[in-house]
Amino acid sequence: EVQLVESGGGLVQPGGSLRLSCAASGFTFSDYYIDWVRQAPGKGLEWVARSRDKANRYTTEYAASVKGRFTVSRDDSKKSLYLQMNSLKTEDAAVYYCTRGGRSGSPFDTWGQGTLVTVSS
Amino acid sequence: DIQMTQSPSSLSASVGDGVTITCRASQSISTYLNWYQQKPGKAPKLLIYAASSLQSGVPSRFSGSGSGTDFTLTISSLQPEDFATYYCQQSYSNPVTFGGGTKVEI
Repeated sequence: EVQLVESGGGLVQPGGSLRLSCAASGFTFSDYYIDWVRQAPGKGLEWVARSRDKANRYTTEYAASVKGRFTVSRDDSKKSLYLQMNSLKTEDAAVYYCTRGGRSGSPFDTWGQGTLVTVSS
Repeated sequence: DIQMTQSPSSLSASVGDGVTITCRASQSISTYLNWYQQKPGKAPKLLIYAASSLQSGVPSRFSGSGSGTDFTLTISSLQPEDFATYYCQQSYSNPVTFGGGTKVEI
């Protein structure tokens, strides 16, 4: 079964840092783009970041709202993707989902259950 | 960035009704348009990809159409489990962007 499982969410103060993890199973991890999408409470979906596949040298891309503060990395040996979030702002508070896409232009065909990040003093 | 506009933002319908949701892109996106269903407290689920292709396991009462800038999601006969929020998403160019959502209520 294809599965993504996020972890690492929690409460952090503004200006703080948090590292989210996404563990994959049931598919060849290195063959897929993996993205982060977030959803603020009661709001819609917002794309955050992307890690491309091995064929595209694992290049990354970020939303303007998080560029310079968030960093995506992946460990294919552990079939895991990470989102390092620094200089967190209250507006970063959301449920963060990791999602699987095949390549540029593909839909997100698999989603994790999400992990909640709360940014508050 | 490509802006995605969904309408309506919410609608009320009854079991058995036919429902149509529209999504408009701010520029042509060919058929790089996907639809997702989200229920409260759950992750989104892919329903339709490439504007009109039904994702495996999704009931045939769901259908999608359109190309260029205008797209529709149609539910032919609403079932109790279809009451949810629906999002369109363009995967034509980066950053991928989502519509604001349409909440389908009883």
